[in-house]
Amino acid sequence: DQQVKQNSPSLSVQEGRISILNCDYTNSMFDYFLWYKKYPAEGPTFLISISSIKDKNEDGRFTVFLNKSAKHLSLHIVPSQPGDSAVYFCAASAGGNNRLAFGKGNQVVVIP
Amino acid sequence: EAGVTQSPTHLIKTRGQQATLRCSPISGHTSVYWYQQALGLGLQFLLWYDEGEERNRGNFPPRFSGRQFPNYSSELNVNALELEDSALYLCASSLVGANTGELFFGEGSRLTVL
Repeated sequence: DQQVKQNSPSLSVQEGRISILNCDYTNSMFDYFLWYKKYPAEGPTFLISISSIKDKNEDGRFTVFLNKSAKHLSLHIVPSQPGDSAVYFCAASAGGNNRLAFGKGNQVVVIP
Repeated sequence: EAGVTQSPTHLIKTRGQQATLRCSPISGHTSVYWYQQALGLGLQFLLWYDEGEERNRGNFPPRFSGRQFPNYSSELNVNALELEDSALYLCASSLVGANTGELFFGEGSRLTVL
């Protein structure tokens, strides 16, 4: 049972443009959401997070939006850079524990 | 500061054998998590250890087990290997009480079952 879903497995975007990654979840108990980035042959690294009490969190070029009523979040990368080419995982947790539920990931390719 | 380290990087076993994977957390981190990433799937939660105790377990059969040592390093054991156990096994660590989901991952151990 996939509680966190990432559709559109791959995305190609021109350098300088916006990358938008979407994530849907089914468990209404989730109250903390994270995005991780993964390069080949490396472990995932934390990128940005948002608590369910907020609807937006921004960190430099990265912004995460949360729509609780739709059980949907998105990650915006502006402007996209070639170094952003990676797999991005959406993750969620409930009740303050670190047992994360992950999506399948989105491959992003930024074209110079 | 050293990150999370995992060994071996690659492991090839045959069906029915046992595999042991090892993980050393970041210094000062007491919680260790194990995740499985099979082909085409996201990361699936396996096990969580903290202070030497198993705190939570994912939906995996009992032949997946592990332990955490006094120095907070951890082992994941997979008994009676099956072909579908072929996957990347990722270990992560976090500070105790850091219930923010910010896990620090190792590079993973790729297990191939023939």
